[in-house]
Amino acid sequence: DAGITQSPRYKITETGRQVTLMCHQTWSHSYMFWYRQDLGHGLRLIYYSAAADITDKGEVPDGYVVSRSKTENFPLTLESATRSQTSVYFCASSESGHNSGNTIYFGEGSWLTVV
Amino acid sequence: SQQGEEDPQALSIQEGENATMNCSYKTSINNLQWYRQNSGRGLVHLILIRSNEREKHSGRLRVTLDTSKKSSSLLITASRAADTASYFCAFTGNQFYFGTGTSLTVIP
Repeated sequence: DAGITQSPRYKITETGRQVTLMCHQTWSHSYMFWYRQDLGHGLRLIYYSAAADITDKGEVPDGYVVSRSKTENFPLTLESATRSQTSVYFCASSESGHNSGNTIYFGEGSWLTVV
Repeated sequence: SQQGEEDPQALSIQEGENATMNCSYKTSINNLQWYRQNSGRGLVHLILIRSNEREKHSGRLRVTLDTSKKSSSLLITASRAADTASYFCAFTGNQFYFGTGTSLTVIP
């Protein structure tokens, strides 16, 4: 049971470069999420997706792009990385949406440093 | 905007003691969940309490919810060193929000 996997786990990149963080889940969950975790801010929602080809902005979407061509994959792209995007990124999935009370399952995180 | 906060930010107790952490939120909710995060890992679901419930138990965990005060508390009884982790409340408004977390250290 692979669950939800993220790659890469650790990445260092330069300012201005494009970076893509990958997320794959094996449960066929409808909903997928991307969060960033920063000290003093907890987890903040970047983007989420209710199904393939359906995505929506979260609390902090600026500077990020997502796509969901397949149910199991939800990549997050930083089109032109900035130092303020240095963070830990968590992908997550859930059977249904945020009002359902379903558990959200998290990946192990991707540590991104922008220098 | 910060939708939820936890208190205290950090808590250090001796093994065997009880640990209480509190969560306050600003929005109307349908349910509130608590998650645990071990250092360097993802979050793991612990317990869910619905907005029409006031208290819920699961093993050594006890969660209360006061919707009039927009607050919840998580009590871990008879703590163990393995309980050392960060604990987050999570709640649903128009999106799914997380609190800022409480870092719990249980000293053996």
